[in-house]
Amino acid sequence: NAGVTQTPKFRILKIGQSMTLQCTQDMNHNYMYWYRQDPGMGLKLIYYSVGAGITDKGEVPNGYNVSRSTTEDFPLRLELAAPSQTSVYFCASSYPRTSGRTSTDTQYFGPGTRLTVL
Amino acid sequence: GDSVTQMEGPVTLSEEAFLTINCTYTATGYPSLFWYVQYPGEGLQLLLKATKADDKGSNKGFEATYRKETTSFHLEKGSVQVSDSAVYFCALTYGQNFVFGPGTRLSVLP
Repeated sequence: NAGVTQTPKFRILKIGQSMTLQCTQDMNHNYMYWYRQDPGMGLKLIYYSVGAGITDKGEVPNGYNVSRSTTEDFPLRLELAAPSQTSVYFCASSYPRTSGRTSTDTQYFGPGTRLTVL
Repeated sequence: GDSVTQMEGPVTLSEEAFLTINCTYTATGYPSLFWYVQYPGEGLQLLLKATKADDKGSNKGFEATYRKETTSFHLEKGSVQVSDSAVYFCALTYGQNFVFGPGTRLSVLP
């Protein structure tokens, strides 16, 4: 198993450019997530998906779009890059397990994409 | 809303020292609690977890106990190694909600 893979590892964009960050998992996980990590900060959830064809907004969705056409892939799209989107982006996946109403998910993370917008 | 608070770093220790990284949480329900570790240049990896009160998670010499009465999940290790140098994140999940703390950077000197 490769786990969660992300491409590219690094990217520099100019203001106003667009790009797609790729994320693929081979663990047959239903749930997938996109986070951003700003320097010295924790992770903030951008979007998540509970299965193919289903996506929902997280804490910081503005400026991003996602799609989930297959179980394996969950690309993140930046349409008009802005300097505020300079960050490290992590994709994660999980197979949901619950105990009563409590989620016991373990998330598996990709290695990240470091994006700089100039 | 739900939140996680961690002690501020960086934390610098000598090899074989005792480690404690404090974590407290605020949640409306009964969350699961996690510690993740991030080594330089890598993504986060699960270190340990606990899913109900009084559970103890343990892995690689690290331990943390889910304390509902103090809403805490402090990470401890009896004797740290240089290879433990990393950023440690406390996190909780409840339903669809995932919340991470800001991370605590640990540096272990030989």
